[in-house]
Amino acid sequence: SQQGEEDPQALSIQEGENATMNCSYKTSINNLQWYRQNSGRGLVHLILIRSNEREKHSGRLRVTLDTSKKSSSLLITASRAADTASYFCATLKADRGSTLGRLYFGRGTQLTVWP
Amino acid sequence: EAQVTQNPRYLITVTGKKLTVTCSQNMNHEYMSWYRQDPGLGLRQIYYSMNVEVTDKGDVPEGYKVSRKEKRNFPLILESPSPNQTSLYFCASSYQGGSRETQYFGPGTRLLVL
Repeated sequence: SQQGEEDPQALSIQEGENATMNCSYKTSINNLQWYRQNSGRGLVHLILIRSNEREKHSGRLRVTLDTSKKSSSLLITASRAADTASYFCATLKADRGSTLGRLYFGRGTQLTVWP
Repeated sequence: EAQVTQNPRYLITVTGKKLTVTCSQNMNHEYMSWYRQDPGLGLRQIYYSMNVEVTDKGDVPEGYKVSRKEKRNFPLILESPSPNQTSLYFCASSYQGGSRETQYFGPGTRLLVL
């Protein structure tokens, strides 16, 4: 079953606006990652936030993590047409009895940024 | 250049004809994994490997086999493909240091089984 679920499924905005995508997950995690996928291509890692962190920035990206609500958000500021892609959250949860986790992906948010 | 390569990129085959999709990485990563991506279902893990000769099932292993004889290669084998295995397949790799972190993805293999 899916561990992470993104919301909304699709988001359409104008260039210059901010885009916010949310991710909810079910079990405790070691970290949460966001990936980007251009149409039909491989996923590219964007940012990783650990379970003991609350907020992280990377360029125009801002990620927050609320472990009490089991949710995360990805904010892209001043969006550009080139940001058009699908965005996935992935959670690394610890398997019982092991420090090695498996990465679980959500279904993704399709972001379209209009020029 | 650090990368994960997959071959072929596109494949059309018929039901029951065995096929292999190759995956190779040049980053000396211990961990490698195969995912399939289907509309509305996101990425689902098929098999993964923590190191040479160590493989384990993911969430959807039925109908697939893997092997890890060398660190750099992790082929995906479909012994008798069926139409429900039509999908977009991704190989990924990462370092293994207590927990797997950033995964590096290949470009994908689009498979159509008739």
